[in-house]
Amino acid sequence: SQQGEEDPQALSIQEGENATMNCSYKTSINNLQWYRQNSGRGLVHLILIRSNEREKHSGRLRVTLDTSKKSSSLLITASRAADTASYFCATVYSGNTPLVFGKGTRLSVIA
Amino acid sequence: KAGVTQTPRYLIKTRGQQVTLSCSPISGHRSVSWYQQTPGQGLQFLFEYFSETQRNKGNFPGRFSGRQFSNSRSEMNVSTLELGDSALYLCASSLARAGQDEQYFGPGTRLTVT
Repeated sequence: SQQGEEDPQALSIQEGENATMNCSYKTSINNLQWYRQNSGRGLVHLILIRSNEREKHSGRLRVTLDTSKKSSSLLITASRAADTASYFCATVYSGNTPLVFGKGTRLSVIA
Repeated sequence: KAGVTQTPRYLIKTRGQQVTLSCSPISGHRSVSWYQQTPGQGLQFLFEYFSETQRNKGNFPGRFSGRQFSNSRSEMNVSTLELGDSALYLCASSLARAGQDEQYFGPGTRLTVT
């Protein structure tokens, strides 16, 4: 069963706008990871944030983690058409447990 | 450095047959995980192998099995195929145990069962 649940399920924005996706989970985690998938291909790792971290950046990506609310958000600034993809959060209970993926947010960036 | 490769990329099988999928991890990676992706169930974890030992297994029937070789390459096998096994099968590798580090995914094998 899925641990993380992304919200919204789908998001459509104009190029240049910011996109925010949220992930909520149910139990305590060791870390949370965000991945991107283009059109049914393999996933690409974006950011890993550990339970003792609150915010991480990578280029135009910013991830926050609020363990008290059991939620994380992914912000993509100045979106481009190439950002069109599905975005998944994956939670990890402990260092030796597998990733549990949510069902993803489908982002469409319109040029 | 070469990425994760999966073969074959596409496969069509008939109900009742069996299939073997192959995954070559990034050089030096010791962990290989397998996932099944379907529109209805999303990404479901199948199993993880680390140093030739199965470390975790997802909630799949015994028809799904796998193994890892000494060079870290991995295979998964599905016997007695059912229509519901049609899916994109993804493998991912990582340096450390899956969950401790970022995972690198292959392009997947799309299996269609008719």
